[in-house]
Amino acid sequence: GAGVSQTPSNKVTEKGKYVELRCDPISGHTALYWYRQSLGQGPEFLIYFQGTGAADDSGLPNDRFFAVRPEGSVSTLKIQRTERGDSAVYLCASSPLAGGSTRELFFGEGSRLTVL
Amino acid sequence: DAKTTQPPSMDCAEGRAANLPCNHSTISGNEYVYWYRQIHSQGPQYIIHGLKNNETNEMASLIITEDRKSSTLILPHATLRDTAVYYCIVRDQTGANNLFFGTGTRLTVIP
Repeated sequence: GAGVSQTPSNKVTEKGKYVELRCDPISGHTALYWYRQSLGQGPEFLIYFQGTGAADDSGLPNDRFFAVRPEGSVSTLKIQRTERGDSAVYLCASSPLAGGSTRELFFGEGSRLTVL
Repeated sequence: DAKTTQPPSMDCAEGRAANLPCNHSTISGNEYVYWYRQIHSQGPQYIIHGLKNNETNEMASLIITEDRKSSTLILPHATLRDTAVYYCIVRDQTGANNLFFGTGTRLTVIP
């Protein structure tokens, strides 16, 4: 596809359940980012991948959150034992070059997670 | 910690220029100023960035003061589709991977 694709667009789950959110970046983009956006707030950084490895996971709030990018393309954000406070829009972005370049980030439309 | 300060909201009449200010008084020499916007229910969209010179592209102009402590994003002829939240971000090109968005300025373009 032409842009960053995120699935599902909406996910409703119950407290304590496990959730996976998928991001398909723009083809050829080596850098991939996950952000989380709560209502009325700006996006908050979670994790950054350069290729297959997590180059910076300093934004992950706790060990219930984990992300992988096994082949350097598609990434999955995994949330264990979901809590109501995890409800937010999870945004994925990709960039053609490594973090630290001046290239722009291309964002997907996000996955809205609601934990009941 | 926030590196930028923006007004929470602004209005602009359709067809007029929208001037969105941003203060970044602690900006360091290797930090760029980026602007992104987020239209309702969409992901953020890159607008423009600059280091110290003024920049212009098809979407907007970026005016950076000589001391680099503040900047202004200019949308020359605002349309209703420009209604969005506008984020001013400073980013170190040499290492930081994290774009810190803050809460931005909600621009409403009025017919």
